[in-house]
Amino acid sequence: AQRVTQPEKLLSVFKGAPVELKCNYSYSGSPELFWYVQYSRQRLQLLLRHISRESIKGFTADLNKGETSFHLKKPFAQEEDSAMYYCALSGPNTGNQFYFGTGTSLTVIP
Amino acid sequence: KAGVTQTPRYLIKTRGQQVTLSCSPISGHRSVSWYQQTPGQGLQFLFEYFSETQRNKGNFPGRFSGRQFSNSRSEMNVSTLELGDSALYLCASSLGQGIYSPLHFGNGTRLTVT
Repeated sequence: AQRVTQPEKLLSVFKGAPVELKCNYSYSGSPELFWYVQYSRQRLQLLLRHISRESIKGFTADLNKGETSFHLKKPFAQEEDSAMYYCALSGPNTGNQFYFGTGTSLTVIP
Repeated sequence: KAGVTQTPRYLIKTRGQQVTLSCSPISGHRSVSWYQQTPGQGLQFLFEYFSETQRNKGNFPGRFSGRQFSNSRSEMNVSTLELGDSALYLCASSLGQGIYSPLHFGNGTRLTVT
């Protein structure tokens, strides 16, 4: 069965420190992975997706099929990165459904 | 382009009542999905519509239903409301073509059942 796991509900880091938000998934086949972010009082929005291989706001994520992970990383955290982050999965076997993790609330301490 | 619009933003209903939520997708998007968001469960998939057809349904009771109109606008209905239905209901639209079409979310409708 498809599943996305974000083991950390809460994560706090100091400004300028590296940050890594963990995401593990369970899926039979080749999934497409996404990271969504929700800033305070804003709607949930796409941060980045695996297929684009891009860096958005300094964040990157690498798909590790061996470890079935898609961790989100940023070398130097900024205060404006404080938000709720959701990892999501879609794929040929999901019937156009996205599977979301339960989210990680990131707080960057000034 | 205007984003996904959900109305109303807030609703307060009593147990046993029914409610209808509305969603207008981004222009050109033919797929509309609905999710229930709660603090403990995160985002739970309700259903997805594409060109007026329900393509997939999540594991929710039959009290939850939806539909999509020819202009891609969608409505979600919940009948016989229960206290546990209190949640933020999110609508998301996408091009709906393949797994690489990301979801674009609305601000949600906050439903409180008393």
